[in-house]
Amino acid sequence: RKEVEQDPGPFNVPEGATVAFNCTYSNSASQSFFWYRQDCRKEPKLLMSVYSSGNEDGRFTAQLNRASQYISLLIRDSKLSDSATYLCVTRSNTGNQFYFGTGTSLTVIP
Amino acid sequence: SAVISQKPSRDICQRGTSLTIQCQVDSQVTMMFWYRQQPGQSLTLIATANQGSEATYESGFVIDKFPISRPNLTFSTLTVSNMSPEDSSIYLCSVEGAEDYGYTFGSGTRLTVV
Repeated sequence: RKEVEQDPGPFNVPEGATVAFNCTYSNSASQSFFWYRQDCRKEPKLLMSVYSSGNEDGRFTAQLNRASQYISLLIRDSKLSDSATYLCVTRSNTGNQFYFGTGTSLTVIP
Repeated sequence: SAVISQKPSRDICQRGTSLTIQCQVDSQVTMMFWYRQQPGQSLTLIATANQGSEATYESGFVIDKFPISRPNLTFSTLTVSNMSPEDSSIYLCSVEGAEDYGYTFGSGTRLTVV
């Protein structure tokens, strides 16, 4: 079983739509959680960390459900510039190992 | 967060040759990480480069194929040796940020082996 699993999509949504991605992780002792964004032919860049209490950054909301071992990312009022691959990432309880999901592809359509 | 300069950004290499990728960080970091991202796949950790000691390799990766240098706290190299077309991939170096900040990545090296 993979450490981190995501629906690869693709998700094709119209501008202004709300879209949500989920990600499940297998290690219950995982310590930290992140969403990364990767544009085509670019390196991944940190979008936001995911806190136990949930956190919001503008149009982006991340939530963590430890009991069910899943992480979610909600994007409201989608923009064309949101088109990218979104990677779910966990950090092991030993602190040194990060595990990446395969990514969810999002295309926002005019 | 740290700024990483990685080069080359891309290369096309003949099979059987070797390519060395360099990463320079603008601050001192204890550990640097080397990842591979094959087409349509997520990132796979190759090894962790520690200054002053041998790199630690993940299962499936060996030093003879991917020798790593870490001469100081701001620089590392990864060599892809005796390349074959299966080595065609994006190679990324990264460093660890503060606990809430995950990794910062270099811009990646897109390698094509022909």
